[in-house]
Amino acid sequence: NAGVTQTPKFRILKIGQSMTLQCTQDMNHNYMYWYRQDPGMGLKLIYYSVGAGITDKGEVPNGYNVSRSTTEDFPLRLELAAPSQTSVYFCASSPPSGYSNQPQHFGDGTRLSIL
Amino acid sequence: GQSLEQPSEVTAVEGAIVQINCTYQTSGFYGLSWYQQHDGGAPTFLSYNALDGLEETGRFSSFLSRSDSYGYLLLQELQMKDSASYFCAVRAGGYQKVTFGIGTKLQVIP
Repeated sequence: NAGVTQTPKFRILKIGQSMTLQCTQDMNHNYMYWYRQDPGMGLKLIYYSVGAGITDKGEVPNGYNVSRSTTEDFPLRLELAAPSQTSVYFCASSPPSGYSNQPQHFGDGTRLSIL
Repeated sequence: GQSLEQPSEVTAVEGAIVQINCTYQTSGFYGLSWYQQHDGGAPTFLSYNALDGLEETGRFSSFLSRSDSYGYLLLQELQMKDSASYFCAVRAGGYQKVTFGIGTKLQVIP
């Protein structure tokens, strides 16, 4: 099992450009999440999904969009990149509710710089 | 909303024991998780407490007191490789939404 795979690992964008951060998982997890982590800070939830076709906003959704057409994939879209979106982005997945230790499995992250 | 407080930095000696505290304010509390993150790496799951008490996993233990809205992570027999950031995270509300603290940077010194 590869777990959670994120691409690309690094990217530099110009202000105003758009891009899609890819995330795929092979664990058949229903729940998927996108976080951003600024230097020296914790993780802030951008969007999450409880299954294909269902997404919802987290703490910091402005400037981002997501879709969930399949169980495996949960791409994150930046439409008009701004310097404030410079961060490390982590995708995560977790098994459905009912497990006593519902760990989130994280991808290796995408380091994004907006210049 | 949810908020968590944990110390920003802790330094401990190799072989010693260290405790990292976490207090939280939340509604609809389900459980408290702990994650480890090495510099430049991804967070990895350590433990999850839904009920009061101590959970032990090898050198790591995690404690929860729901009545005090408090938990801690206990690391025993510290090793240099334990130098990392440790995040507490609260699972509250529906759909497994998890709110992370800002993390405690643990430095293990010889």
